[in-house]
Order: sequence, then structure tokens, then C-alpha cells
Amino acid sequence: DAKTTQPPSMDCAEGRAANLPCNHSTISGNEYVYWYRQIHSQGPQYIIHGLKNNETNEMASLIITEDRKSSTLILPHATLRDTAVYYCIVTTDSWGKLQFGAGTQVVVTP
Amino acid sequence: DAMVIQNPRYQVTQFGKPVTLSCSQTLNHNVMYWYQQKSSQAPKLLFHYYDKDFNNEADTPDNFQSRRPNTSFCFLDIRSPGLGDTAMYLCATSRDGSAFNTGELFFGEGSRLTVL
Repeated sequence: DAKTTQPPSMDCAEGRAANLPCNHSTISGNEYVYWYRQIHSQGPQYIIHGLKNNETNEMASLIITEDRKSSTLILPHATLRDTAVYYCIVTTDSWGKLQFGAGTQVVVTP
Repeated sequence: DAMVIQNPRYQVTQFGKPVTLSCSQTLNHNVMYWYQQKSSQAPKLLFHYYDKDFNNEADTPDNFQSRRPNTSFCFLDIRSPGLGDTAMYLCATSRDGSAFNTGELFFGEGSRLTVL
């Protein structure tokens, strides 16, 4: 599976959009991009995933560049409860076998 | 309602004393996973069951074993825990099947193991 690079940490103001970048320059054509988050002392939680097209659900939007070498997770209106570690994962397995990288610690401040 | 339930939530054991962690699921998913997460680190996949087929990750120590007696239950056995096995152990499930694939993993709340 392709490797991902994420910033180790970022801050976001409550109510503002949070834009979380992820680089996956070695991604291959059949690899999906997944995003999960882990709130402190809880199990990871699925956010969204995509292959080529941009995706949106009730939690977030996923923007994948045309060359698929990077993506951005957008939390449209960050709340304090969005404080968590966010993981970007790239994998060929459509059924969910995931290897987690270091992730980005997001802190939402009032 | 919780869909992936792990027990116990907290376990303290002595060095070398075997421990078993359990995971049950109400989702009827055919794939179950065990992850280990040490403090301030990302979850690390230990192994998974695809239906009844056991798949071990190459770097998972032999000290870690697993059983899946039926679709709903999966156990993690640590035969002789060392101090370095202190960690959160996470169970997850997913469903593989053509029309139903979302790739989403459903995680339990984890079992926090402390080895003294």
C-alpha cells in the first residue's frame, strides 16, 4: 500500500472549516483513500473514503486531486468535539484491512 | 447501541501471566481484526480473520494468538505478556461482499491492558 504523509498537528478555531492535507504521491490506480479519526481513549471512527471523485457525507468532504497524489479532508464547521487524531490511509483493500500512519493531531479551540 | 463490544475494558496482569481479551459483534460482519495501540502511537494491525481464515501480520510476535469460534466472537490471547505489551487492544469488524463494500471498519472501545 502507498505511504501517506500528514502534518503532525494543526489547530482550528471552533466554527471555522478545518482543512486537513494528506500526501500520497505513490498511490496506484486501484488504491482507495480513507480517513478515520480517533478521539482520545476511544476506538477509531470512520469518516469518509474515495477512489477518484470528491466525496461528501454528513461528517466531512474529501477532495482528491486529479492526479490522486494528494487529498484534503474538510470538516466544514469544526466543533470542540472534533478534537482528535485524524488518519489518512491508502489501501487496495476495499473491505477494510487498514494500516494506520502517524496521523494529524487536530485541536479545535474556542 | 454498541455494535462491537470488547471485554474487559481494563485489565491489569502480571508479567508472564496469560490474558485473554474478547470481542463480540452484532453486525454479522465476516471480517474481524485485532489492533495493538501503544501510548501516543497509531494502531498497529496484529492479525485478522476473513471468515474462518486466520491471517497473521508478518511482524506479529508468536506470543499473540487469536481464536474465532463463530462469526460473532473473536478472542486475543497473550500467552506470556511482557512489559512491552502494555497497550490498548482494539477489535474491529468489516463486511466484505460485492454489493455491500464500503471499506468501513467498525471499532470497539478497546481493552486497555497493563502488564506489571
